Amino acid sequence: EVQLVESGGGLVHPGGSLRLSCAASGFTFSGSTLHWVRQASGKGLEWIGRIRPKTNNYATAYGASVKGRFTISRDDSKDTTYLQMNSLKSEDTALYYCSRHEAVGPTWPLDSWGQGTLVTVSS
Amino acid sequence: QTVVTQEPSMTVSPGGTVTLTCASSTGAVTSGDYPNWFQQKPGQAPRSLIYSTSNKHSWTPARFSGSLLGGKAALTLSGVQPEDEADYYCLLYDGGARVFGGGTKLTVL
Repeated sequence: EVQLVESGGGLVHPGGSLRLSCAASGFTFSGSTLHWVRQASGKGLEWIGRIRPKTNNYATAYGASVKGRFTISRDDSKDTTYLQMNSLKSEDTALYYCSRHEAVGPTWPLDSWGQGTLVTVSS
Repeated sequence: QTVVTQEPSMTVSPGGTVTLTCASSTGAVTSGDYPNWFQQKPGQAPRSLIYSTSNKHSWTPARFSGSLLGGKAALTLSGVQPEDEADYYCLLYDGGARVFGGGTKLTVL
């Protein structure tokens, strides 16, 4: 059974940093592309970014609102992906999900999702 | 960045048919935008329903179908069930990145 479990959320002050983790199991992690998506309370989904497998040089891409502030990485030895969030703003307050798809490219569906971890940015 | 637009809300009667659409600010949505559709119910994570315009998962009910319609991506529900009441999001491929639409709240009434 595919499982994605996010952790690391919490309360952080504006301008601060936080690192989220997403631990995976039940599939070949090293060959998968991992995505991060967030959702503010009562709002829609927002794509944050993705990281491709080693075979694609761990290539990353980011959404406009987080580019330059957020960094996605992965540790294939731990079947875990990370979202490093810096210079946090109140508008970054949201539930953060990780998701995955097989291999590389847009033909593959985001077929598995975690339950999310909540990040609150407030003074 | 591309803006993806969906109907904010739609209402359908049980047993009826409804089509949700997904438009791109860059022009007509094509198969090269690899439209995906997700369903999200309150308190739950999103669930993939349709990928690459019209492909279904093993868990996707037969009453859901995806297509391209009039320059937009479309999700059609035929024979709507009460349990289909949910938020629906489209996701488009945007040159290496992805962009979600704002979502459609579907009410079954």
